[in-house]
Amino acid sequence: GENVEQHPSTLSVQEGDSAVIKCTYSDSASNYFPWYKQELGKGPQLIIDIRSNVGEKKDQRIAVTLNKTAKHFSLHITETQPEDSAVYFCAASRIGGGSNYKLTFGKGTLLTVNP
Amino acid sequence: NAGVMQNPRHLVRRRGQEARLRCSPMKGHSHVYWYRQLPEEGLKFMVYLQKENIIDESGMPKERFSAEFPKEGPSILRIQQVVRGDSAAYFCASCPGQNYGYTFGSGTRLTVV
Repeated sequence: GENVEQHPSTLSVQEGDSAVIKCTYSDSASNYFPWYKQELGKGPQLIIDIRSNVGEKKDQRIAVTLNKTAKHFSLHITETQPEDSAVYFCAASRIGGGSNYKLTFGKGTLLTVNP
Repeated sequence: NAGVMQNPRHLVRRRGQEARLRCSPMKGHSHVYWYRQLPEEGLKFMVYLQKENIIDESGMPKERFSAEFPKEGPSILRIQQVVRGDSAAYFCASCPGQNYGYTFGSGTRLTVV
């Protein structure tokens, strides 16, 4: 089955700096890679996703890059703000072709943005 | 649109009791997924259901756990004879199909004492 590794497990940055979180996956058939933000006591919230036919996707201060050959993808947050502090999870899935669209998650990165 | 609704938010059960967790998907969503999150861990897939059908239960323990998504009403995750190791946060997610991202509920935090 799929295995997703996520690094680092904790990340502390100063407000205004950039933050980068990296994930690798094992199943070359995976073609959908979402990122979730989870605040304390809440459910994960989808913040951005990318499909394997695209190498990069941006949404304001958030961007995701995908390297299919190396089987890794990264989340980039620029101009970090204290409200970006949360646990971030990467995930991988196969969609289409009769797959069940179940997500395999990384173990998460606790991001702390210091004012 | 109220989002994915899970209840209860917190549930305390004694060892050996039954736990019932409920999930109402977003309006128009016919796909429901249950995930379990242990402390300081990522979410682990448990089961995928569509109305009246279990599509994939490969992540569910073979004993004591069951799930349903009836034609009417919420999806139910049922844990019989709970043990301390069942203590976790259980999240439900729904989506209208595979071209859309999941929407997660706020979870049910089960504590077995």
